[in-house]
Amino acid sequence: ILNVEQSPQSLHVQEGDSTNFTCSFPSSNFYALHWYRWETAKSPEALFVMTLNGDEKKKGRISATLNTKEGYSYLYIKGSQPEDSATYLCASLYSSASKIIFGSGTRLSIRP
Amino acid sequence: DTGVSQDPRHKITKRGQNVTFRCDPISEHNRLYWYRQTLGQGPEFLTYFQNEAQLEKSRLLSDRFSAERPKGSFSTLEIQRTEQGDSAMYLCASSLQGGTHQETQYFGPGTRLLVL
Repeated sequence: ILNVEQSPQSLHVQEGDSTNFTCSFPSSNFYALHWYRWETAKSPEALFVMTLNGDEKKKGRISATLNTKEGYSYLYIKGSQPEDSATYLCASLYSSASKIIFGSGTRLSIRP
Repeated sequence: DTGVSQDPRHKITKRGQNVTFRCDPISEHNRLYWYRQTLGQGPEFLTYFQNEAQLEKSRLLSDRFSAERPKGSFSTLEIQRTEQGDSAMYLCASSLQGGTHQETQYFGPGTRLLVL
């Protein structure tokens, strides 16, 4: 059974602090990893798609890394702002579309 | 383009009734996905279309569920004889085929279904 794990489940961070969280996934037959940000009452918003071992992507204060050999990805947020409060989902993709597996998400709350 | 839209946003129904949801993808996107998300869990893949062809279906999609994309544009997801366990958020996403499924998926706001 393919299972994508995200940790922690929830996180409270003081505004201005940096933070990171983890997505762990089975590395066999890995195809791609997606990160999404999902704010309450809005649509999930794509952040990154990564495919190659060692990939690093950056978008403003948010960055992500990928290790396909050991099956994990980190998402980093530098200098957290209240607007960063959201659930961050990762999804791991395998050899066919039916193998898109989402994690349960990390719920991030930024304290002003 | 205003992105992916879904209708209705909320649906309350009684057990045993049929419901139908609609998804309008981004206009030039040829792939369309349906997901189901329950509280505390990530979205679960249900099915996907490439143009009008339904290419993959999850085992989660029981015989009571059917999805169509008749003209390769909008899609409908019907649930027959709803059960309380069908209560969930139903998400639709679309993407532009890039030869793989690595392309970004753009999500709609979802339809929240409550079965009483």
